[in-house]
Amino acid sequence: DAKTTQPPSMDCAEGRAANLPCNHSTISGNEYVYWYRQIHSQGPQYIIHGLKNNETNEMASLIITEDRKSSTLILPHATLRDTAVYYCIVRVAHGNAGNMLTFGGGTRLMVKP
Amino acid sequence: DGGITQSPKYLFRKEGQNVTLSCEQNLNHDAMYWYRQDPGQGLRLIYYSQIVNDFQKGDIAEGYSVSREKKESFPLTVTSAQKNPTAFYLCASSLPSYNEQFFGPGTRLTVL
Repeated sequence: DAKTTQPPSMDCAEGRAANLPCNHSTISGNEYVYWYRQIHSQGPQYIIHGLKNNETNEMASLIITEDRKSSTLILPHATLRDTAVYYCIVRVAHGNAGNMLTFGGGTRLMVKP
Repeated sequence: DGGITQSPKYLFRKEGQNVTLSCEQNLNHDAMYWYRQDPGQGLRLIYYSQIVNDFQKGDIAEGYSVSREKKESFPLTVTSAQKNPTAFYLCASSLPSYNEQFFGPGTRLTVL
């Protein structure tokens, strides 16, 4: 699986958009980009995933560059409850070797009032 | 409600004792996973199971054991051979061909 690089921490003002970057320059053509987040002392929560097109759901938007070497998770109107560690993961979506996710250090997002 | 449960939330044990962490899911998922998380770190895979009566070692299986006798249950035993067992343990489950994993609330194990 391709490795990812994320900034260790970011701040965002409440009500503003939070843009979390992720570099995955060695991503393969069949690898998806997944985002999870972990609120303190809880289990990680799935947010969104995509292959090459931009994706949007009720939680966030995912923007993937045309060369697929980087992506950005966008929380359009951050709230204090969005304070969490955000993990960017690249993985083949369908495989016989199990669907293990490799979690790196992630980005600690602090939403401030 | 469908979901994945872990119990207990906090667990204390004396050094040298084996301890078993519970993980149960009613999502009808075939695959289940155990992860370990140390303070300020990401998750590391201990064991995973894709089907009943089958399981595979993850990246840090030494000192741990699992069983998968029922689809709904995937208990993890932390043995006395695990040198640094104090950690936050997370269980997850997924459909076999879809990568979204659902996580339980975790068990925080402290070995005194």
